[in-house]
Amino acid sequence: DGGITQSPKYLFRKEGQNVTLSCEQNLNHDAMYWYRQDPGQGLRLIYYSQIVNDFQKGDIAEGYSVSREKKESFPLTVTSAQKNPTAFYLCASRLLGPNTEAFFGQGTRLTVV
Amino acid sequence: AQSVTQLDSQVPVFEEAPVELRCNYSSSVSVYLFWYVQYPNQGLQLLLKYLSGSTLVKGINGFEAEFNKSQTSFHLRKPSVHISDTAEYFCAVSRYEKLTFGTGTRLTIIP
Repeated sequence: DGGITQSPKYLFRKEGQNVTLSCEQNLNHDAMYWYRQDPGQGLRLIYYSQIVNDFQKGDIAEGYSVSREKKESFPLTVTSAQKNPTAFYLCASRLLGPNTEAFFGQGTRLTVV
Repeated sequence: AQSVTQLDSQVPVFEEAPVELRCNYSSSVSVYLFWYVQYPNQGLQLLLKYLSGSTLVKGINGFEAEFNKSQTSFHLRKPSVHISDTAEYFCAVSRYEKLTFGTGTRLTIIP
């Protein structure tokens, strides 16, 4: 079945450690996105990518990094520079074009202690 | 720059009553508008989208939305809600490849 897989579902890390969240899609989509979700703040865009080896900062990119070495993969690294990393992270993908539907993964809940 | 404002963070509604969830957008150019639904601890799924043409858009699960260019609004409506509609609803705007979401409206159905 086609879809987007985020792993792991739950992730715990100690403060000061970098952590990488995985996002893989087999929908043959060119565009991929990372969002952060906090209660009352909706989904805030971290990074997005339209093509392999290229990506753009979203609205809250500070403290995060991404790579797009393969079309189907768009991993997100939460660095120690991110002040409040505990959140629910969602990955999405869609075909190129502003009128296309985005498909979402099930999310990763990151807790930093 | 594009942005979306969802005016209500929570909306309680009695079962079988009608509901309207409000969404206003801002953009200096034409954009595309979407409504998504999120059930607890899950990703989002598309309810409906406005691309062009008729201002009344029908979606899944009996939802519909009306695009109003003069008021820059895209409100979501359902004539009769069910317990299964309990979820969080997000309005989104897309320009080029950037997809921006609102803060969400939590819909609670009262039996």
